[in-house]
Amino acid sequence: AAGVIQSPRHLIKEKRETATLKCYPIPRHDTVYWYQQGPGQDPQFLISFYEKMQSDKGSIPDRFSAQQFSDYHSELNMSSLELGDSALYFCASSTGQWTQPQHFGDGTRLSIL
Amino acid sequence: GEDVEQSLFLSVREGDSSVINCTYTDSSSTYLYWYKQEPGAGLQLLTYIFSNMDMKQDQRLTVLLNKKDKHLSLRIADTQTGDSAIYFCAAPNQAGTALIFGKGTTLSVSS
Repeated sequence: AAGVIQSPRHLIKEKRETATLKCYPIPRHDTVYWYQQGPGQDPQFLISFYEKMQSDKGSIPDRFSAQQFSDYHSELNMSSLELGDSALYFCASSTGQWTQPQHFGDGTRLSIL
Repeated sequence: GEDVEQSLFLSVREGDSSVINCTYTDSSSTYLYWYKQEPGAGLQLLTYIFSNMDMKQDQRLTVLLNKKDKHLSLRIADTQTGDSAIYFCAAPNQAGTALIFGKGTTLSVSS
């Protein structure tokens, strides 16, 4: 079965640079969620979209923005990167807003040098 | 506030049963989840239970839900060394729009 696809799998950036992470949800899933998992930490919710509209916002820094496009894929844009942004970034998708299980991608590992 | 708590470590011998416990505070009436994460890997949806169920069994996995006490448990029968991983319990936030994860239970299986 098709799963959530995230790209790139690994990304290395330097401080103050920008990064864009992409997420392709499972076909027919209309809700996308972004989570951040720091080293040795549990995943923390950043932001979610339902039918291309932002549905909820968690602990997402102002330096980050995201959107969901007409084909339901989503991008997380990160600017002025800091060392503390080094983490595993997960995208999850589901059908229907919060009423169905969330399926996670394999994540993008972002390393800031 | 919303919180999900679970014990941090569990050590068992191969062939034994493992039981990982989780408590949560607020939850909308949807699903409660168990995710498995191996070192350096992503989050694998292991199993989930709808909040109107008490128990769900899926091969070696049994999930028990006590909604009154807001207690969720995952039992792994005949635990194998390949089950060694971090297991996260996750519950929806009060609005039901995102998942709140526990800190994760590191399961160590010795042969």
